[in-house]
Parts: sequence; C-alpha cells; structure tokens
Amino acid sequence: KAGVTQTPRYLIKTRGQQVTLSCSPISGHRSVSWYQQTPGQGLQFLFEYFSETQRNKGNFPGRFSGRQFSNSRSEMNVSTLELGDSALYLCASSLLGTSGAAYEQYFGPGTRLTVT
Amino acid sequence: AQSVAQPEDQVNVAEGNPLTVKCTYSVSGNPYLFWYVQYPNRGLQFLLKYITGDNLVKGSYGFEAEFNKSQTSFHLKKPSALVSDSALYFCAVSGDNTGKLIFGQGTTLQVKP
Repeated sequence: KAGVTQTPRYLIKTRGQQVTLSCSPISGHRSVSWYQQTPGQGLQFLFEYFSETQRNKGNFPGRFSGRQFSNSRSEMNVSTLELGDSALYLCASSLLGTSGAAYEQYFGPGTRLTVT
Repeated sequence: AQSVAQPEDQVNVAEGNPLTVKCTYSVSGNPYLFWYVQYPNRGLQFLLKYITGDNLVKGSYGFEAEFNKSQTSFHLKKPSALVSDSALYFCAVSGDNTGKLIFGQGTTLQVKP
C-alpha cells in the first residue's frame, strides 16, 4: 500500500506571498491531520479533517487554513507568509476508532517551506 | 489540557546496552499513547501505540513501551541498542477522541559503537 505523499517537497517563498501544500493519504484513511515542525516550537498540531469537515484546529492564526476533498486528499494554505512560517509541514493520515479517536497516524515526508 | 513531557533532550547509550527514553503525559480521560521516530530530513515513522490492554506494548524494530497509569508514564525501551537506532524520538498523546496529537519536545538518541 502506498504511503502518505506530500507535494511539493521543498518550497521557497517570499514574505507576503501565499502557498498551498498538498497531501494524499493512505488509501482508505479518511482522517488527515497537519502539523508544523520547527526547531523552536517542535511539532505543533494545525488541524484535522475527516469526511471533508474540520474536526479540530490548533492554535494558529487564521492565515493557516485547510480543506479536504471527497477522495480524502487534503490541502493546506498559508496566506501572507511571514518569516516565522518557515518550517517542515507534515501531513498524517489515519483510520478512526469507534470512539472517533484516531488510531496511529502515518506521516508523509513533509514539505520544507522556506520564507525569505 | 493535554501535555507530554520528555525530560531528556538527549540519551546516550553504548551499542548492545539497553536503552530507555522517558515520557510522561497529562490528559483527562483515557489516553491514546504513541511513539514515533524521525531520521534526518524525513517524516515521522510510527513505532508503537497504547490504546488499551496490556501495559507492555511491543512495536517495530524491537522497541517496546510500558504504560504506567499511576505514574502517567509511557517509557520507550529496547533491550539491546543498535547504532542504527540513533535518531530523534517523539512521544505523543491523543485524549480528546479526535486526530489531534500532542507531541513531546523530542529526545535525541545517540547510540555509540
């Protein structure tokens, strides 16, 4: 089974621009979560989507948004980029248990975003 | 509020010796606990999980973890370390019945020959 794929793998943008990152989950996984990884803040949860609905959102400004399509693929968008948005953005997919909690999440290789 | 703590930034161990990477958590309700490993310039790889059942959980690559509810800990262990185990290890918890994972700050494991 193919793993989680993320595109692009590397991206360089200028302050003030916007960016869209894409994530294709493992086949059959309907929950997709996004995380930001930086040396200073570590791994931080951005948001989770399930069945095209945002189920949970982390503590990030409104410049960060996402969506999920009917085939479970997901995109995240960051508008008005700031230098501090430079990070590794990780996407993860998972199955859900009967309680609604996600079982183990499988991560993609990430998109390395550099804002100059 | 949910939280995870990994008290050691780095753990050094000699190859062949047992290793332990520590993790404590705070969550209301029943926790789902996970360990992930990250190699340089790579995403996170799932190692093992505790959902319910036996307190000793076995995972990939010979790793295991012990869930201790009274101490709210979930330490990662391996009986005999390999140089190839050298990497960054993350403990994570989910406790709100969603896909939100709260990660610890990570522990760098250095296994020396």
